[in-house]
Amino acid sequence: GAVVSQHPSRVICKSGTSVKIECRSLDFQATTMFWYRQFPKQSLMLMATSNEGSKATYEQGVEKDKFLINHASLTLSTLTVTSAHPEDSSFYICSARTSVGQGYQETQYFGPGTRLLVL
Amino acid sequence: GEDVEQSLFLSVREGDSSVINCTYTDSSSTYLYWYKQEPGAGLQLLTYIFSNMDMKQDQRLTVLLNKKDKHLSLRIADTQTGDSAIYFCAETPGTYKYIFGTGTRLKVLA
Repeated sequence: GAVVSQHPSRVICKSGTSVKIECRSLDFQATTMFWYRQFPKQSLMLMATSNEGSKATYEQGVEKDKFLINHASLTLSTLTVTSAHPEDSSFYICSARTSVGQGYQETQYFGPGTRLLVL
Repeated sequence: GEDVEQSLFLSVREGDSSVINCTYTDSSSTYLYWYKQEPGAGLQLLTYIFSNMDMKQDQRLTVLLNKKDKHLSLRIADTQTGDSAIYFCAETPGTYKYIFGTGTRLKVLA
């Protein structure tokens, strides 16, 4: 239980194009999903919290018009990097919050990540 | 703000024990977590400890918590080459928000 998938796993795009990344909880429903960004050899930085049926909550310094988040269902959240530039190249990881497998303790389970390279 | 600090590197020989340390910042964290990240992959939950506990053991993993010093450690017994990865601790200062440590890269020598 508690498997999270991401698609695509790797994407290369041209500068100025938009890229959509999907995050799915495969065997559970998640009212809350999270999007993180990880630069090489660095830790994960939380970008935004995605709530099903409502607007995402962005962390300070994250442009909401640049990183569009949609949480249309209890099993799917999408992150769209709009007008991507080379500095947006990074490893994007999503997570979903659930108590599955952990008794009553809600825990974050992470997707495998999406590596974005903007040329 | 303050970072959740971890030492950057640790190198051990196969079969030895590894101890990865973490100094966290928020004393109100209810749970503290340890995650493992292999190259090019997402994070795998290893274990967690509730803040009213001092120790938790789970097979080869032992977590120690010193709330007074805000110090968390992860001990891996009989370390194997498959344990080579980056290990992140995480604190939970809010209802659900995780703040990750800087990560410790563990290298296991055969």
